Amino acid sequence: EVQLVESGGGLVQPGGSLRLSCAASGFTFSNYAMNWVRQAPGKGLEWVSGISGSGVTTYYTDSVKGRFTISRDNSKNTVYLQMDSLGVEDTAIYYCAKYPGNAMATATFDYWGQGTLVTVSS
Amino acid sequence: QSVLTQPPSVSGTPGQRVTISCSGSSANIGSNTVDWYQHLPGTGPKLLIYSNNQRPSGVPDRFSGSKSGTSASLAISGLQSEDEADYYCAPWDDSLNRPVFGGGTKLTVL
Repeated sequence: EVQLVESGGGLVQPGGSLRLSCAASGFTFSNYAMNWVRQAPGKGLEWVSGISGSGVTTYYTDSVKGRFTISRDNSKNTVYLQMDSLGVEDTAIYYCAKYPGNAMATATFDYWGQGTLVTVSS
Repeated sequence: QSVLTQPPSVSGTPGQRVTISCSGSSANIGSNTVDWYQHLPGTGPKLLIYSNNQRPSGVPDRFSGSKSGTSASLAISGLQSEDEADYYCAPWDDSLNRPVFGGGTKLTVL
């Protein structure tokens, strides 16, 4: 059974940093690209970042480029999202989402985690 | 502001059929397949339809998807109370070079 479990969310001040983790199980982790998708309070879903199975290729939405870094440790079956220079606009539930393969030009996320809440506030 | 337009809300009574529309452009729906997600409060979204009209294993055949030109639709027949959720359409966007989501539609079962 595929499982994705996010952790690392919390309350952080504007300008601060946070690192999210997503522990995966139930599939051969290195064979699949992974993503982070967020949902701000009262808003819809927004794709944030993606990473290939090898970790070599990464993508970001424009609003987080230069501030967020996605990475993965295939020996630990874990994908990370390092978030720096956080602003109030980054307040959201952050979901880890798996692609059905290693191809990344798709909007098909076949499994999602339960999410972790990030609150940016002074 | 999403590049995809969905109605903010739809409603229906148990047993009824409802449809949710998703309007886009040639950069997204017009040139790529569309996926649909069901999102219940407090849970992660669930893939409901992929590649316009394909259902993942375990999704009831009450759910169906279609696409024509730059628009897509999700139909839910035999409406049940547990279908009450938010629904999102999602294609890849060739101009933005990333996946995009519609604004979401809240389905209320009266």
